[in-house]
Amino acid sequence: DAGVIQSPRHEVTEMGQEVTLRCKPISGHDYLFWYRQTMMRGLELLIYFNNNVPIDDSGMPEDRFSAKMPNASFSTLKIQPSEPRDSAVYFCASSVDRGSEKLFFGSGTQLSVL
Amino acid sequence: GEDVEQSLFLSVREGDSSVINCTYTDSSSTYLYWYKQEPGAGLQLLTYIFSNMDMKQDQRLTVLLNKKDKHLSLRIADTQTGDSAIYFCAETLNTGFQKLVFGTGTRLLVSP
Repeated sequence: DAGVIQSPRHEVTEMGQEVTLRCKPISGHDYLFWYRQTMMRGLELLIYFNNNVPIDDSGMPEDRFSAKMPNASFSTLKIQPSEPRDSAVYFCASSVDRGSEKLFFGSGTQLSVL
Repeated sequence: GEDVEQSLFLSVREGDSSVINCTYTDSSSTYLYWYKQEPGAGLQLLTYIFSNMDMKQDQRLTVLLNKKDKHLSLRIADTQTGDSAIYFCAETLNTGFQKLVFGTGTRLLVSP
């Protein structure tokens, strides 16, 4: 398996623009997570899905953030409108089941909002 | 709270041992983890320890767990330049789903 695949690797956009980050989890993994990493706040869990259903989105910062998982092999994290303070590295991770906290991370998307 | 604390930086010379420390908050955590993040990459699970264990050894890695003090450490023997990375400890919070909470990360720099 190629692991968790994220795209794009880098995204530079202007304030106010819509940004869409994409993730393909490892095949067979039932859980998908979106994390954000910044110097100030470290790694924050934004939202996670189980079997394509959002379970806990309490970490999503604002209504500007939304996430979807239309099928088992694809998820998106959208920011609309984007702001400079959204600049961070966004990671997608997946795991096999509820009892496993052994996460497999993608390489991340480095987002810069100017 | 959910704070998992680590020192920010550690510098060692190649061949020395490195010890990275972590304090966590939830005494009911089932597993405690060490993840490694290399530059420009995502986190990678390095090792983990079950909460009823005091120590786990895996080749050059030794994990020590002191549940009384809620202290976790990672010892890397014979540290190599390739070990330079950020190391995160993580605990599981039992909030229905076992939410994984990461520490702030320790940047390990190994000099030749």
